[in-house]
Amino acid sequence: QQQVKQSPQSLIVQKGGISIINCAYENTAFDYFPWYQQFPGKGPALLIAIRPDVSEKKEGRFTISFNKSAKQFSLHIMDSQPGDSATYFCAASIGGANNLFFGTGTRLTVIP
Amino acid sequence: EAQVTQNPRYLITVTGKKLTVTCSQNMNHEYMSWYRQDPGLGLRQIYYSMNVEVTDKGDVPEGYKVSRKEKRNFPLILESPSPNQTSLYFCASRRAGVSGEQYFGPGTRLTVT
Repeated sequence: QQQVKQSPQSLIVQKGGISIINCAYENTAFDYFPWYQQFPGKGPALLIAIRPDVSEKKEGRFTISFNKSAKQFSLHIMDSQPGDSATYFCAASIGGANNLFFGTGTRLTVIP
Repeated sequence: EAQVTQNPRYLITVTGKKLTVTCSQNMNHEYMSWYRQDPGLGLRQIYYSMNVEVTDKGDVPEGYKVSRKEKRNFPLILESPSPNQTSLYFCASRRAGVSGEQYFGPGTRLTVT
């Protein structure tokens, strides 16, 4: 059973556009929600993370929006660039616990 | 350079032949984990370790063993590999604490025929 549901599976965006990836969870004990970025042949790398006490976190062109009541969170990539083309994973954990529950991933392609 | 290293990066083996994938980190992290990545399933945790000699099962531990005799090393052992263990494996580490970021290694692609 997938603890964190992620959509879409793949996404194609024009350069300069906004990329939006959505995730949903059921376990209300989750309190740490990171997003990881993975390039081909590489391991995932932390992109941005949020805790449920805030509704939004922004780092440069990347923003996490968090809706605690709906148990949903999303990643927005503003002014998407070809260099953003990668697979993105959302994840969740309890108390920063060692076990991260990952979504199934979204392959983003940004077309020049 | 702070990093997690894995060896080998690629491995093709046959059913039943024991193998070990090594993992080492140079960041003095307490926590280390092993994940497998499969298409459509994301990453799933196999085992984790909170410190030397302290290990526990993750979500998919069947068919795997681990040991943590030194803080920097966390090898993954497949005593009798089967084709359903064909996957991309990642080792990760993080410091103790609530908000510790996990650092992932470059991955080991394993094929069991």
